[in-house]
Amino acid sequence: SQTIHQWPATLVQPVGSPLSLECTVEGTSNPNLYWYRQAAGRGLQLLFYSVGIGQISSEVPQNLSASRPQDRQFILSSKKLLLSDSGFYLCAWRSSGANVLTFGAGSRLTVL
Amino acid sequence: AQRVTQPEKLLSVFKGAPVELKCNYSYSGSPELFWYVQYSRQRLQLLLRHISRESIKGFTADLNKGETSFHLKKPFAQEEDSAMYYCALVSHTGGFKTIFGAGTRLFVKA
Repeated sequence: SQTIHQWPATLVQPVGSPLSLECTVEGTSNPNLYWYRQAAGRGLQLLFYSVGIGQISSEVPQNLSASRPQDRQFILSSKKLLLSDSGFYLCAWRSSGANVLTFGAGSRLTVL
Repeated sequence: AQRVTQPEKLLSVFKGAPVELKCNYSYSGSPELFWYVQYSRQRLQLLLRHISRESIKGFTADLNKGETSFHLKKPFAQEEDSAMYYCALVSHTGGFKTIFGAGTRLFVKA
């Protein structure tokens, strides 16, 4: 069966420090991968999506970047965090042929 | 523009009462719509999708293209239905992006 893992689950970082959130999917190949940010009252904002290795599309200009070094690995990064980067980040995958998203448990980032 | 609107941030009902969570969408073409749910301390997960025309946990949702709505309904709310509900639309261009509404928190009181 397919599973999706995100880590770390919780992260507290100072302003200006780098960031790396990882997401991996098991049990499927060539998934479409997505990074969302969940904010109270604002729903889920799509940040990045990837349809294949090395292919990244950005939805919102921001201080973050994404990479997909392997078929089932999706990484969210920042070189210098801002206070406004604090939030709950969700990774999701979509298998080809279906439009249902399966979500990870999320990573809560607090920037101080 | 593609957009999903959930006008209610919070909906509070008594156990056994009917519940309707509103969702309106904006999309050029034939929409593919979903409801996702997030229970306390659980992952966000699919509740139902309009293509399946199914009832899940007593919830149903009918796509009304004339009113561009996809409201979620349940005739008799249960306490375990308390959760955050998101209406979502899949855009069939560029990566099949899923666009979410702001969400409605449903609170079912005993």
